[in-house]
Amino acid sequence: TQLLEQSPQFLSIQEGENLTVYCNSSSVFSSLQWYRQEPGEGPVLLVTVVTGGEVKKLKRLTFQFGDARKDSSLHITAAQPGDTGLYLCAGERNAGNMLTFGGGTRLMVKP
Amino acid sequence: NAGVTQTPKFQVLKTGQSMTLQCAQDMNHNSMYWYRQDPGMGLRLIYYSASEGTTDKGEVPNGYNVSRLNKREFSLRLESAAPSQTSVYFCASLQGAMVEAFFGQGTRLTVV
Repeated sequence: TQLLEQSPQFLSIQEGENLTVYCNSSSVFSSLQWYRQEPGEGPVLLVTVVTGGEVKKLKRLTFQFGDARKDSSLHITAAQPGDTGLYLCAGERNAGNMLTFGGGTRLMVKP
Repeated sequence: NAGVTQTPKFQVLKTGQSMTLQCAQDMNHNSMYWYRQDPGMGLRLIYYSASEGTTDKGEVPNGYNVSRLNKREFSLRLESAAPSQTSVYFCASLQGAMVEAFFGQGTRLTVV
């Protein structure tokens, strides 16, 4: 059982649709990050959220950190084929402690 | 700017063979990590080093050893490779808490 559970594991949608990906835990995190990974590459950071209830926007992507700092969500508006990839959440339980990852959500956006 | 460099990129081992995966970063980061990623899965932490001279076990350390040779380099050793260790291995570095982790390109290891 992973410390961070992501859902759904797979998501296939049409271009223009909206979607939300979830990252949940029973543990409190000092910070939570979202990464995107393309085939054959390492993950690349999208955003870091630190404060409970925090909302950050990155163009069509909206990230939210739960009030209790145990969960986070990623919402994509009007998905595009270029959004296709593996989305990973990662968290530190204590600042400076080990960075652990969720199992990932594989997103495919069809034209 | 090289960032995080891993060698080799690909490796095939026979069961029982040993090998060392190399990782070097040129960003003067304190912390370095080794993860493994199985097909379609997220990353699982093998070992990490919060600073030069220290190493700690992660989620799946069995069958692996690490060495933080200096601030730049963090190596991962498989003493007796097993087919269950077939995976893609990623090295990452970061400066401190709540900041971006930079990843290498990965090492694709197959144990037959």
